[in-house]
Order: sequence, then structure tokens, then C-alpha cells
Amino acid sequence: EIVLTQSPATLSLSPGERVTLSCRASQSVSNYLAWYQQKHGQAPRLLIYDASNRATGIPARFSGSGSGTDFTLTISSLEPEDFAIYYCQQRSNWPLTFGGGTKVEIK
Amino acid sequence: EVQLLESGGGLVQRGGSLRLSCAASEFTFSSYALSWVRQAPAKGLEWVSAMSASGDRTNHADSVKGRFTVSRDNSKNTLYLQMNSLRAEDTAVYYCAKVGVRGNGDFWYFDLWGRGTLVTVSS
Repeated sequence: EIVLTQSPATLSLSPGERVTLSCRASQSVSNYLAWYQQKHGQAPRLLIYDASNRATGIPARFSGSGSGTDFTLTISSLEPEDFAIYYCQQRSNWPLTFGGGTKVEIK
Repeated sequence: EVQLLESGGGLVQRGGSLRLSCAASEFTFSSYALSWVRQAPAKGLEWVSAMSASGDRTNHADSVKGRFTVSRDNSKNTLYLQMNSLRAEDTAVYYCAKVGVRGNGDFWYFDLWGRGTLVTVSS
């Protein structure tokens, strides 16, 4: 099973700041990695797929990069609605796995 | 509106069974693979089961293999999860999720999620 490790667990930031979230895979997943956003009490929302492609309707301030084992989700300037938990997920191997999540909270 | 709606959750005793349903609306259900993903209280996401668009391929997480079975009825636009021998650690919100691309390929990312249904297993 591919283990995805996200860091940090929590980030305390202010609106307007730049955010960089990390996801590291225990073995190469090529570029088969997605990012999701989950707000309290809601289902996850797909942000990025195949490492760097924005899903439909996702604002340009969200971007993804990386390949192999190291991946990054960047939010160029935090908006109030971006405070949430972010998860990465790989589709390279079965079972599909998710990272443990990074919580982005208001400072 | 394009949506997924889960039902069938509830309180069940350890060792009991439940069947979850996921009803789809406003998209060509039979063209898309689907999955179940669960989230224990205050925990992260855990993939549970997946079924191809045609229904001929399934996968289950090791934690549920032999106890849970995913199935679908394309004539009813519904995905199911039969859960047997339930354990306390199966307590979670169960989400139904649709992949983002038509067909039986390997695009296992989820662009549409239901609101989830809560399963509570009492010990």
C-alpha cells in the first residue's frame, strides 16, 4: 500500500498569504496524484488531478506541482473561503489511498 | 441537478449488517465508475470500495475485504454497499463518489460526491 504523508498537519495563516502544502508518497506514483478540499460538515471537493491540472471551476490561485514521490499544492493568496482541510490522493496503485490531511486555519 | 444521494445508514450492533444505497441524478450513470469513501469521526478520508462503469471490476480495501461488497444497478442509477460483520471501527460517514471521466479506464479521481450517510456500529 502506498502511504501518503502530508505536512504540516496544521497551518495558521492570514488571508492574502501564500500557502504551500506538501504530500510525500512512500513510493513513486508518477503524476497520479489529486488534491481535495474539505470544509467542515461538507463532502470533499476535487481541486487538482494528475498533479497539476485544475478541476473544472477551480480558481487559478490553486496550483499543483510535483512528480514521483514529492508533490505540492500552492494557494497563491488565501481567500477567507480557503480555510479548510486539504487531502492528497493517489491512483497509481490499488488500494487508492489518501493522505492524512493538512488543516489550514485562520491565524 | 447533477448529484449523488446516499441512504441506508444508521445504528447497528457489532456483527450486524447494513446496505447503503447511492442514487444518481442528471448524468449518464452507466458511463462512470464509482466508489465508496468513508470518514470516521474527526478523522481523514479512507477509500473503501470501487466498481467500474460496466460493473465487471471491483476493488475493496483490505480492511473491508470479505465483509463488504459493492454492486450497482445501472437500470436504477444506483450504487450499493452491502456491509456485513460490522465492527466498531467501521463507524463513519460513508460517501459515494463518481470518477471524473467516462468509461472503464483508470481515472480514479472523484469529481462528484454525495453528502454522505452516517453508519454507527455499537459495541
